[in-house]
Amino acid sequence: GAVVSQHPSRVICKSGTSVKIECRSLDFQATTMFWYRQFPKQSLMLMATSNEGSKATYEQGVEKDKFLINHASLTLSTLTVTSAHPEDSSFYICSARELHVVKSNQPQHFGDGTRLSIL
Amino acid sequence: AQKVTQAQTEISVVEKEDVTLDCVYETRDTTYYLFWYKQPPSGELVFLIRRNSFDEQNEISGRYSWNFQKSTSSFNFTITASQVVDSAVYFCALSELTQGGSEKLVFGKGTKLTVNP
Repeated sequence: GAVVSQHPSRVICKSGTSVKIECRSLDFQATTMFWYRQFPKQSLMLMATSNEGSKATYEQGVEKDKFLINHASLTLSTLTVTSAHPEDSSFYICSARELHVVKSNQPQHFGDGTRLSIL
Repeated sequence: AQKVTQAQTEISVVEKEDVTLDCVYETRDTTYYLFWYKQPPSGELVFLIRRNSFDEQNEISGRYSWNFQKSTSSFNFTITASQVVDSAVYFCALSELTQGGSEKLVFGKGTKLTVNP
């Protein structure tokens, strides 16, 4: 089945550091990838929709200069948390949407998430 | 705007009991999809089911079953003969078309299920 690899799975770093998270679709092409954020014991909130070769579309309230998204190829999207602070600590999950969704009962495949802790 | 409500924040049952997780949704779309995902303590999201708004047939998969009622905008999930391994947070989600035409998911707040031995 379709596999999405998200790396790293866990990051602990000092305040002020920029952190890059990768989301790769391993065995399918994904023109669209989504980035979600999940605070402890809360739901997943969509941060942005990433389209291959174009600028990401950010949800209301999400700072685009804070959360930089690059989707340079059909199999890779990256999320960079710039100058991270403790309030950015969260669980970040990406998902990738297959090109040919009609063939799939599962239009989005999720990565395993990245747990980010800023000290 | 789309909205998904999971009124049960936490549920605790004893192994072998049946348990139903409720999901109520709001949408103005005539075509939409509903989903259930399982999130174990390790954090990854496990896809359970996707249901088209035009298909109101109930579905059964092993110990899992889903009841989709368009008249009440509900998509409830039942686990029969629950097991300890079923302990997780379960999310109901609704698809929504973005401005760019792609499909994004709106999640409920989740129901934490604890199955005790």
